[in-house]
Amino acid sequence: AQTVTQSQPEMSVQEAETVTLSCTYDTSENNYYLFWYKQPPSRQMILVIRQEAYKQQNATENRFSVNFQKAAKSFSLKISDSQLGDTAMYFCAFPNNAGNNRKLIWGLGTSLAVNP
Amino acid sequence: EPEVTQTPSHQVTQMGQEVILRCVPISNHLYFYWYRQILGQKVEFLVSFYNNEISEKSEIFDDQFSVERPDGSNFTLKIRSTKLEDSAMYFCASTNPGGSTDTQYFGPGTRLTVL
Repeated sequence: AQTVTQSQPEMSVQEAETVTLSCTYDTSENNYYLFWYKQPPSRQMILVIRQEAYKQQNATENRFSVNFQKAAKSFSLKISDSQLGDTAMYFCAFPNNAGNNRKLIWGLGTSLAVNP
Repeated sequence: EPEVTQTPSHQVTQMGQEVILRCVPISNHLYFYWYRQILGQKVEFLVSFYNNEISEKSEIFDDQFSVERPDGSNFTLKIRSTKLEDSAMYFCASTNPGGSTDTQYFGPGTRLTVL
């Protein structure tokens, strides 16, 4: 079965510091995408960053970057220069490719608090 | 940039009443989804919809739930007789699997409160 594990229920970081959120997953697929979504207190689900598994280069989006280790099935999110607006729940997810359905498999989330 | 929209943003209803949650997916997308998130819990898949029919549904998606794409634009989720435990945030998402990113784009959600 395809699973996603986020082992850190809660994390905190000081403003301007760097924080890394971990995610591991299990799949038998070889080509797939991985996603980090952010859910602020408004509860909207916002795409932060995506990684294509067949690309060795780690994805980056401004202050957000990933450390993707395909063999270890690890997909961590690094937030540099943390800002108060980064306070949110962060979910790791990837599409289940069975039957071309692509429903997202979700982790339980990590609640990140950025402290002033 | 195109986006998924959902209405209403907040729906309050009495137990046993029917509710319809509405979504307008991104226009060139082909797959549509409903997920729900009970407060403080994980995101749960409800149903996926492709080519005008359900492609997969979860155990949560029982006979009380139905989906429809009535006019080629809207994508609706109906709960026929709401229960207290249906109180949750409901998210609509869409994607175009033939595209280069396979990314699901989410609407802002509808907060359903069943009293």
